[in-house]
Amino acid sequence: GDSVTQMEGPVTLSEEAFLTINCTYTATGYPSLFWYVQYPGEGLQLLLKATKADDKGSNKGFEATYRKETTSFHLEKGSVQVSDSAVYFCALSDEEETSGSRLTFGEGTQLTVNP
Amino acid sequence: ETGVTQSPTHLIKTRGQQVTLRCSSQSGHNTVSWYQQALGQGPQFIFQYYREEENGRGNFPPRFSGLQFPNYSSELNVNALELDDSALYLCASSLVGAITQYFGPGTRLTVL
Repeated sequence: GDSVTQMEGPVTLSEEAFLTINCTYTATGYPSLFWYVQYPGEGLQLLLKATKADDKGSNKGFEATYRKETTSFHLEKGSVQVSDSAVYFCALSDEEETSGSRLTFGEGTQLTVNP
Repeated sequence: ETGVTQSPTHLIKTRGQQVTLRCSSQSGHNTVSWYQQALGQGPQFIFQYYREEENGRGNFPPRFSGLQFPNYSSELNVNALELDDSALYLCASSLVGAITQYFGPGTRLTVL
């Protein structure tokens, strides 16, 4: 079945440091890929997405490129802020169907940014 | 535009009891999915509802059941609660055929 593997956390960075969180996936079809963020005590917020190979999703300074050849969707940000401290989840959705699609999530990566 | 809402926020039950969690989907969304997120883990897909019928189910036993109502709101019911059912339960809504799901804040269930 489908699966998502994220780099193990937690990750601790200083403010303005460069961030990379690795994500690789296994899927039988051509999934869409997502990054969700979860702040303490809250639900999941969609951060960015990409629906086909070589697409780049971006939002709030975060970027991720859908790499089919390496089955990866690594999350990057050039300069992190304290407010970026949260848990980040990589996820994929199976093939689109008339009823919508289910999400398969990675285990999550806890990011802490220190001032 | 109203986002996804869930109730209650927190709930404490004892082993063997039954629980009902509620979700109101985002305005215009007709598909609702439920996920279980154990502490320190990623969410796991429970099931999805569309047109008031279950349409896709993850690896969860039959004591996890649900309903979707004509206004697209939904309920998750769990019978015979077990300690391992303690988790954050997330509801997500979407449009049929759309790939993006929008999540509610979740219900934290504690089973003692």
